[in-house]
Amino acid sequence: NAGVTQTPKFRVLKTGQSMTLLCAQDMNHEYMYWYRQDPGMGLRLIHYSVGEGTTAKGEVPDGYNVSRLKKQNFLLGLESAAPSQTSVYFCASRKQGIQPQHFGDGTRLSIL
Amino acid sequence: TQLLEQSPQFLSIQEGENLTVYCNSSSVFSSLQWYRQEPGEGPVLLVTVVTGGEVKKLKRLTFQFGDARKDSSLHITAAQPGDTGLYLCAGSSGNTPLVFGKGTRLSVIA
Repeated sequence: NAGVTQTPKFRVLKTGQSMTLLCAQDMNHEYMYWYRQDPGMGLRLIHYSVGEGTTAKGEVPDGYNVSRLKKQNFLLGLESAAPSQTSVYFCASRKQGIQPQHFGDGTRLSIL
Repeated sequence: TQLLEQSPQFLSIQEGENLTVYCNSSSVFSSLQWYRQEPGEGPVLLVTVVTGGEVKKLKRLTFQFGDARKDSSLHITAAQPGDTGLYLCAGSSGNTPLVFGKGTRLSVIA
């Protein structure tokens, strides 16, 4: 059982470049989330989705876009990368109700 | 905005010592979860508490949810090097996304 898979695991971008981070889950979970984790800042929610075709803004959505065209996939896009977006990005998913969030192993993104 | 404050932020102890980390808020949560995160990995759920005053034990780890459901604690007895990691608490209220604390980074020295 793969759980939550994030690709790529590492990436280096130049300022102004664009890229898409992919999150795939094989647990048929309704809810999916994108977080960024920075030293001393904890996990901050970027965007989330409560079901296929729906998305919502989290705490720090600026500079990011998301799409949930299929239930199992949640894509995070950076249209014009900035050095402030250097971070470790985590995707998570869970079932409805009081359920655990299952996290991927993260994508380490550096923007020069 | 709901906030969860964790303390201490950092903790370094010797193997065999006991420790307690705290998770506090001015808001009421319907449930609270504790996660542990190891380097290079995503957080993994340790426990969920849902009832005020609830105590749950997981081997040497004891979790408590405050009576008013605004705070929680994690107590580790006889810490081991394998307990090293980042401990995160996260609160839930209805259908809103989890609110995470900033974490307590624990280092257990052999």
